[in-house]
Amino acid sequence: KQEVTQIPAALSVPEGENLVLNCSFTDSAIYNLQWFRQDPGKGLTSLLLIQSSQREQTSGRLNASLDKSSGRSTLYIAASQPGDSATYLCAVRDNAGNMLTFGGGTRLMVKP
Amino acid sequence: EAGVTQFPSHSVIEKGQTVTLRCDPISGHDNLYWYRRVMGKEIKFLLHFVKESKQDESGMPNNRFLAERTGGTYSTLKVQPAELEDSGVYFCASSQVRFKQFFGPGTRLTVL
Repeated sequence: KQEVTQIPAALSVPEGENLVLNCSFTDSAIYNLQWFRQDPGKGLTSLLLIQSSQREQTSGRLNASLDKSSGRSTLYIAASQPGDSATYLCAVRDNAGNMLTFGGGTRLMVKP
Repeated sequence: EAGVTQFPSHSVIEKGQTVTLRCDPISGHDNLYWYRRVMGKEIKFLLHFVKESKQDESGMPNNRFLAERTGGTYSTLKVQPAELEDSGVYFCASSQVRFKQFFGPGTRLTVL
C-alpha cells in the first residue's frame, strides 16, 4: 500500500529565501507525481506534474524533481514571496490505479 | 473553461440526517473522483467514475455513502445517515484519461 510522507509539516521563512519541500513515497511503481497548493478554505491548485519517466519539471520560480528509485520528490521554490504562503501537497498516482495518494502537506509561511 | 464546481460549499447537519453533495466536472472529462479529508488526516481517495460507471470504490468507508453519476455528467455523493466522524472536507476532481486531475473547491461538511 502506497504511503506518502511530507517533511517538514510546517515551515516559516523570511521573504526572499530559496526553500525546499520534501516528499517521499514507499512504492516506486508510480505513474506520476503531482504537487498541489492549497490556500485556506480553498480547493487544490495543481502546480506541477512529473511523469515517472521524467526527472524534473519547472514552472516560473517552482522546480520539482523526481527520483523514483529512491522514492523521493522535492519542490524547490526560488526567491519566496509572502504570496507563496499556503499548504503544499504532494500526491502520487500508482501504475496500478487512477487514485492519488496524498501526503499530509507542508504548511508554508513566508514573512515579509 | 469552467473548472470543477461543487455544491454546497458548506453544509451543517445533525447526526442521523442525510446530506447530498454535488460535483460538476470539467466538460468533456470522463473521469471523476471523490476524495475527502477528515480532521487532522491526509486527503483520502473515496471512489472513481469513468463516465457513469464506478471504476474503483475501494475508498468508500461504509455503506452509508452512496455515489452516483447518472448520464456520465455530474455526480452526487449522499451520506445517509450522517455520523460525527463524517465531518471533513469532500473534494471532487476530474481528468481526461490518466492526465492531471483538476480539483474543485471542496464541500465542508459539519455533522453536529
